[in-house]
Amino acid sequence: AQTVTQSQPEMSVQEAETVTLSCTYDTSENNYYLFWYKQPPSRQMILVIRQEAYKQQNATENRFSVNFQKAAKSFSLKISDSQLGDTAMYFCAFMKQNNAGNMLTFGGGTRLMVKP
Amino acid sequence: NAGVTQTPKFQVLKTGQSMTLQCAQDMNHEYMSWYRQDPGMGLRLIHYSVGAGITDQGEVPNGYNVSRSTTEDFPLRLLSAAPSQTSVYFCASSRGPLETQYFGPGTRLLVL
Repeated sequence: AQTVTQSQPEMSVQEAETVTLSCTYDTSENNYYLFWYKQPPSRQMILVIRQEAYKQQNATENRFSVNFQKAAKSFSLKISDSQLGDTAMYFCAFMKQNNAGNMLTFGGGTRLMVKP
Repeated sequence: NAGVTQTPKFQVLKTGQSMTLQCAQDMNHEYMSWYRQDPGMGLRLIHYSVGAGITDQGEVPNGYNVSRSTTEDFPLRLLSAAPSQTSVYFCASSRGPLETQYFGPGTRLLVL
């Protein structure tokens, strides 16, 4: 079974600064997918970024980028130029490639507060 | 295009009551899933479906039933609610295997 660990329950950052959220996972799979989801106070789950394990290049989406270290089983999220609207819970999630049901395994989340 | 919709937004039940949480998507997605989120935790998969007429169990299926008679709808049934089922329930859909899942707004359920 896969496990996903987010070791930072809460973090804060000043507006316009950069923050990095940590995620580690444990799996025996070689091919898999990793995701970061954002959950604002509205509770909506919003996809932030996706990374395929077979790709060496780190994924980037505007101000969001990841540092994917496959050997270390680490998948951190960097948010640049933080904005007040980035305040939310952030969840790291894992999906194995031979997953018939598209099952996502989530970490426990990191609560991010962006301060003005 | 409404995406994934869920009803109701909030529900209070008494122990032993039954109810159905509704989920619908208008994106013609084959894959649909139900997750629950307990306080301070990530989401856990309850049941999923890979197409109309096909369902299977996820990580925490006990106490829940599902069916998939159409591509659009994937209801979740609680036959006899228990306080341990107090949670926020999310429905998600995706185009196919390994595709990104899109989530509905969630249903908050309180079982007294």
